[in-house]
Amino acid sequence: EAQVTQNPRYLITVTGKKLTVTCSQNMNHEYMSWYRQDPGLGLRQIYYSMNVEVTDKGDVPEGYKVSRKEKRNFPLILESPSPNQTSLYFCASKQGALEDGYTFGSGTRLTVV
Amino acid sequence: SQQGEEDPQALSIQEGENATMNCSYKTSINNLQWYRQNSGRGLVHLILIRSNEREKHSGRLRVTLDTSKKSSSLLITASRAADTASYFCAPTPGGGNKLTFGTGTQLKVEL
Repeated sequence: EAQVTQNPRYLITVTGKKLTVTCSQNMNHEYMSWYRQDPGLGLRQIYYSMNVEVTDKGDVPEGYKVSRKEKRNFPLILESPSPNQTSLYFCASKQGALEDGYTFGSGTRLTVV
Repeated sequence: SQQGEEDPQALSIQEGENATMNCSYKTSINNLQWYRQNSGRGLVHLILIRSNEREKHSGRLRVTLDTSKKSSSLLITASRAADTASYFCAPTPGGGNKLTFGTGTQLKVEL
């Protein structure tokens, strides 16, 4: 089944403890992206990648890192999480053409205490 | 960045009625996409309309696009309780693949 898989689904952590949210897609998509969703603010793009070893900042990249060493994986790294990074996170992927729609993962609900 | 603004923020209708939600954007686009999100879940791609198209249909969905007004509308006909969700528009700029989403329209379809 074509899908984007995020792990974990839920995570509670403490301020300053490094964490990684994994994202993997099995559709050989070129384009991958991370979003966070907060009440009243909609979905905001954190980082995106247009292909292996090509990443770029989205609208809210501060406090996050990403890497794209393989086409299928696009992990989101929080080196020193803070409470304002408590949010619902989504990974998404699409084929490279402008007319392709995104396939989203099921989301990761992160709480930083 | 290009971001769609959905209107209304919330919409409540009875099952069987039609639901219309609107999207406005600010700069030129290559296409505009609509997505649905069930509570707390990932977004699901519904339909895409190109900038040179004025109307598109997919099942019970009808999308219109007016590039002169920089606006789009999504019509769901004969709504069902299962259509209860948030709906987002995503204008795709001509220069790249970056999609930006607004805060969405929360649709509630009551039995």
